[in-house]
Amino acid sequence: QKEVEQDPGPLSVPEGAIVSLNCTYSNSAFQYFMWYRQYSRKGPELLMYTYSSGNKEDGRFTAQVDKSSKYISLFIRDSQPSDSATYLCAMSARVKGNKLVFGAGTILRVKS
Amino acid sequence: DGGITQSPKYLFRKEGQNVTLSCEQNLNHDAMYWYRQDPGQGLRLIYYSQIVNDFQKGDIAEGYSVSREKKESFPLTVTSAQKNPTAFYLCASRGGWTGQETQYFGPGTRLLVL
Repeated sequence: QKEVEQDPGPLSVPEGAIVSLNCTYSNSAFQYFMWYRQYSRKGPELLMYTYSSGNKEDGRFTAQVDKSSKYISLFIRDSQPSDSATYLCAMSARVKGNKLVFGAGTILRVKS
Repeated sequence: DGGITQSPKYLFRKEGQNVTLSCEQNLNHDAMYWYRQDPGQGLRLIYYSQIVNDFQKGDIAEGYSVSREKKESFPLTVTSAQKNPTAFYLCASRGGWTGQETQYFGPGTRLLVL
């Protein structure tokens, strides 16, 4: 079993829809949770960073962490065609090296 | 502009050849990382370095080597021992101040075998 599980999709939605992207994990030591967006043939760019449990909002994006369920989510409101990309979740524990563990990524396609 | 640069954008390797991928950052970050990305898989850690002149193996270090002689630079060599080198290679760096666990990525190098 992988340490971080993420549905690869693709997930296709119409423009304006609310998108929900999710990851589950097995390591209860994870405390830092990130979402990256990666356009085709580009490097990942950081979207959201959350420490421990709770919600964080930034514009159209909301990140949620539920440590009791070992489940994290990224919500995108009013989705746009420019949101079409691969979304990677990543997480780490506060240990030497601060290594990130990534999900496989979910491909999102927003149709106009 | 602060950021991470990787070169070249595309690299072609012949059988038995070693090739070196460049990664430079001007963010004054202490830690640097190399990842490999294959289709349908997440990023897998090859090597990482937390300070100059020190580096550690990641999950898939076999067939790769690195050096960290300067804070700004962390080149990756793909040796002939790496039998399946075709992939997208990503370099990342992380700041050293307490609480900042995020990594920032370069644009990547795509390595292809001739």
